[in-house]
Amino acid sequence: GGIITQTPKFLIGQEGQKLTLKCQQNFNHDTMYWYRQDSGKGLRLIYYSITENDLQKGDLSEGYDASREKKSSFSLTVTSAQKNEMAVFLCASRDWDSYEQYFGPGTRLTVL
Amino acid sequence: GDSVTQTEGLVTLTEGLPVMLNCTYQTIYSNPFLFWYVHYLNESPRLLLKSSTDNKRTEHQGFHATLHKSSSSFHLQKSSAQLSDSALYYCALSGGSGNKLIFGTGTLLSVKP
Repeated sequence: GGIITQTPKFLIGQEGQKLTLKCQQNFNHDTMYWYRQDSGKGLRLIYYSITENDLQKGDLSEGYDASREKKSSFSLTVTSAQKNEMAVFLCASRDWDSYEQYFGPGTRLTVL
Repeated sequence: GDSVTQTEGLVTLTEGLPVMLNCTYQTIYSNPFLFWYVHYLNESPRLLLKSSTDNKRTEHQGFHATLHKSSSSFHLQKSSAQLSDSALYYCALSGGSGNKLIFGTGTLLSVKP
């Protein structure tokens, strides 16, 4: 078994601020993901990374940067927080053989 | 591109009644994987069940679904809803390399006494 941890659990920022969300996994999975969860819009992919130092843009990458400096961690940066960005951000990692993704508990972002 | 459609945003049921949450998909891949994820309040989303086999019923925790490639559907069913089934349910599709999951917009299931 393994676990995904996300920090912080709650993040409050000011409009225009640069904010960083962090994710750690101990599954030893190669592929990791960042999703944004908005009510009525499902889970939308922001960035994913197939392996250390790899980055792939998802459908919602504009306004975000990501970093995968080591296999176990994947960070997401909101480059300039906007009020319409208030959402829950979920990190996940993928079991290669089963295609199953395992999710963290999320970071809830509020922009004032 | 690939897509997943969940037509119901909210399903409200009385305990004991059957559950059916709809999921249809579009993909160019002939062998897609279909998934149902469940997201309980204050927990992480987790896999409920998955399938890549046409016309084979897959079951887990009282829920079942059958992938029908002829109709591009993977509906989630349960014979009798319980209060504890109240959660957000996502249908998802993986085609090709499996690196990406395409999620539907989710169906919030609310089970009342």
